[in-house]
Amino acid sequence: GDSVTQMEGPVTLSEEAFLTINCTYTATGYPSLFWYVQYPGEGLQLLLKATKADDKGSNKGFEATYRKETTSFHLEKGSVQVSDSAVYFCALGSGGSYIPTFGRGTSLIVHP
Amino acid sequence: DTGVSQDPRHKITKRGQNVTFRCDPISEHNRLYWYRQTLGQGPEFLTYFQNEAQLEKSRLLSDRFSAERPKGSFSTLEIQRTEQGDSAMYLCASTPGETEKLFFGSGTQLSVL
Repeated sequence: GDSVTQMEGPVTLSEEAFLTINCTYTATGYPSLFWYVQYPGEGLQLLLKATKADDKGSNKGFEATYRKETTSFHLEKGSVQVSDSAVYFCALGSGGSYIPTFGRGTSLIVHP
Repeated sequence: DTGVSQDPRHKITKRGQNVTFRCDPISEHNRLYWYRQTLGQGPEFLTYFQNEAQLEKSRLLSDRFSAERPKGSFSTLEIQRTEQGDSAMYLCASTPGETEKLFFGSGTQLSVL
């Protein structure tokens, strides 16, 4: 079945460092891909998405490119802030049923 | 702006007891989802509703679990004869239609002693 694999955390960075969180997927067909973020004490919220190969999703300085050839959707940000500390979940869409499948999440801790 | 609300935030129960959780979706969102999340794992799909109709259930949803959405607004998730393995965060989410942009509540943390 469809699945998502994320790098294990926590990822610990200093403020203004470059961030990459790796995500690869296994799916039949051509799913949509998503990054959700969960800030402490809050519910998950959609950060960005890409619906087809070579699409780039972006939001709040974060970017991710849908790479069909490597089945990847890595999350990047050029300069992280303390306020980016959260858990990041990669997810894929299941086609017609609109039921996302989530990865295990990667915790990001940013120090001042 | 009222988001998805879940009640209670925390529930501690003894093994064998029944528990019920409530979810109030965003107004006019016709799809409502239940997910379960255990420590160190991502959310796992349990079931979803389109209005009052329960359209899909995961294999994770054993016979002890039942979900309802009687008027197409709020939903309840009941777990009968709880087991320690049921300890998890139960997440509710809603959407306005056919989209994978889910709006999640903060969850109900269940601890079964």
